[in-house]
Amino acid sequence: EVQLVQSRAEVKKPGESLKISCKGSGYSFTTHWIGWVRQMPGKGLEWMGIIFPGESDIRYSPSFQGQVTISADKSINTAYLQWSSLKPSDSAIYYCARLGVVPAAPLYYWGPGTLVTVSS
Amino acid sequence: DIQMTQSPSTLSASVGDRVTITCRASQFISTYLAWYQQKPGKVPELLIYAASTLQSGVPSRFSGHVSGTEFTLTISSLQPEDVATYYCQAYNRPPHTFGGGTKVEIK
Repeated sequence: EVQLVQSRAEVKKPGESLKISCKGSGYSFTTHWIGWVRQMPGKGLEWMGIIFPGESDIRYSPSFQGQVTISADKSINTAYLQWSSLKPSDSAIYYCARLGVVPAAPLYYWGPGTLVTVSS
Repeated sequence: DIQMTQSPSTLSASVGDRVTITCRASQFISTYLAWYQQKPGKVPELLIYAASTLQSGVPSRFSGHVSGTEFTLTISSLQPEDVATYYCQAYNRPPHTFGGGTKVEIK
């Protein structure tokens, strides 16, 4: 059974750094793309980017390029999303989701989401 | 980047009604189109991929169709459990843009 387990909710102050995680199991982690999706409060879904953990091949949305860093540690089947300096506008739920073995694929399986709250 | 224009933004219909949601791509994406359902307070779930292929376990009252760059999601007989927001997504190449969403309510 494919499972994506995400890290717990976070409350941070503006300017702080943060790294959230997504651990995959039940499938070959290194041969499937994993993506990140943002959902701001009461808003729609925004595609942030994807990573191929086997080669750390990363594709960012232009909207998020330079704003976040996507990475993965294939030794522990975990993908990451990180910020170096959070802003209140980064407050959102962040979902990780698994694609297929090629990047041109839908989001087949979703994690439960990590709620990030940025407030002074 | 591809733009996905989804309509309507809100839809209110009666139980048993046939409901159609439309998504238009700003350029040709073949059948690289998915539909997701997000029930209130829940995680989004994949409903349809490749424009018309139902994900395993999805009721047959859901269907997808494509004509050029216009994609439709149809619920043949709306059920109370279908109350949700539905999103289309183009995934032919990054960024895999989502449509703005359609909130489906029961009248």
